[in-house]
Amino acid sequence: NAGVMQNPRHLVRRRGQEARLRCSPMKGHSHVYWYRQLPEEGLKFMVYLQKENIIDESGMPKERFSAEFPKEGPSILRIQQVVRGDSAAYFCASSPQGPISGNTIYFGEGSWLTVV
Amino acid sequence: AQKITQTQPGMFVQEKEAVTLDCTYDTSDPSYGLFWYKQPSSGEMIFLIYQGSYDQQNATEGRYSLNFQKARKSANLVISASQLGDSAMYFCAMREGVGANSKLTFGKGITLSVRP
Repeated sequence: NAGVMQNPRHLVRRRGQEARLRCSPMKGHSHVYWYRQLPEEGLKFMVYLQKENIIDESGMPKERFSAEFPKEGPSILRIQQVVRGDSAAYFCASSPQGPISGNTIYFGEGSWLTVV
Repeated sequence: AQKITQTQPGMFVQEKEAVTLDCTYDTSDPSYGLFWYKQPSSGEMIFLIYQGSYDQQNATEGRYSLNFQKARKSANLVISASQLGDSAMYFCAMREGVGANSKLTFGKGITLSVRP
């Protein structure tokens, strides 16, 4: 059973470029979450998506950041015109059902973005 | 107020001994779930254990157990018979309620170092 797959694991971008991070959820999981981890910090929620729908984007910065989870293919977190402060680890997680309290969500190995 | 509080400084434990990692939480929702994740130096987030707010017994998973004290709003992780591979960051997290916007909120983490 493949777990949550994220790629790339490491990405280096110059300021002003775009970063695209991909996440394939576990088989049978239709709920995807993106979290960001800044150095020395815990994970901060960004966005929760189901297929073709954004359910909760309360943690997403208002500008430059967007996320999608199309009917076919992986979920994409897109950061336009990256700045040094975007350097962080971005984690994707998935769950088989909606966020009922007892439902464990499983994380991918993370994508480390470095902006130079 | 912080939802999840992990205030211990870096923790050290001798190999084969037990260690307790503290976590307190804050919620007014009667339905919630508490999670512990391990993040080794390689960066991935590994699910360890889950405790539901209505669970009558403390959760256990192998060498991990969760000391759930509902009245005190604490959910401490106990690792028995520590191993060198347990050296990592440990994050406590909570999911509140059952609504569509229920999401994991993480603490800042605790660093555990196991000494040989």
